[in-house]
Amino acid sequence: EVQLVESGGGVVRPGGSLRLSCAASGFTFDDYGMTWVRQAPGKGLEWVSGINWSGGNTYYADSVKGRFTVSRDNSKKSLFLQMNSLRAEDTAFYFCARALDGSGSYPPAYWGQGTLVTVSS
Amino acid sequence: QSALTQPASVSGSPGQSITISCTATRNDVAIYNYVSWYQQHPGKAPKCLIYDVSNRPSGVSNRFSGSKSGNTASLTISSLQAEDEADYYCSSYTSNDTSVFGTGTKVSVL
Repeated sequence: EVQLVESGGGVVRPGGSLRLSCAASGFTFDDYGMTWVRQAPGKGLEWVSGINWSGGNTYYADSVKGRFTVSRDNSKKSLFLQMNSLRAEDTAFYFCARALDGSGSYPPAYWGQGTLVTVSS
Repeated sequence: QSALTQPASVSGSPGQSITISCTATRNDVAIYNYVSWYQQHPGKAPKCLIYDVSNRPSGVSNRFSGSKSGNTASLTISSLQAEDEADYYCSSYTSNDTSVFGTGTKVSVL
């Protein structure tokens, strides 16, 4: 069974940084692309970032480009999202999600439960 | 930038069929067969119902079906049940090598 468990969320001040992690199990991690998707409280889904199976290709939404960095450690079956220069509008639940293949830019298939990031002074 | 527009709400009675549309502002849906649909109950993570326009993941009820025509994708829920009351989102791959989600549709079972 595919399991994805996010961690690292919390409260951070505007301009601050936070690093999210996603621990994967139940599948061969380095066969699949991975994605981060966020959802502001009471709002819709927003695709944030993706990474292919090897980590060699990364993809970003315009809203986070230059501030967020996605990475993965296949030996530890883990996905990361380094978030810098955080803004109030980055406040959201952040979901880790797995692709159906090795690409990180297609719509994802399997989702974690999410971790809440709150940017507030 | 690409955007996908969905109706804000759709409702139906138990046993009826409903269809949710997903229209792209650019031609991403028309060009690519990478359209997915998700169901999200309150406080829960999204669940994939349809991938690659019309394929169902293992374990998803065959009451859910997907299709596309031109730049509009559609999700049909047949034999509507109370448990289908949820938010539904479409998603498509885009020519920017990213994906985008639809605006979301709240389905109510009357």
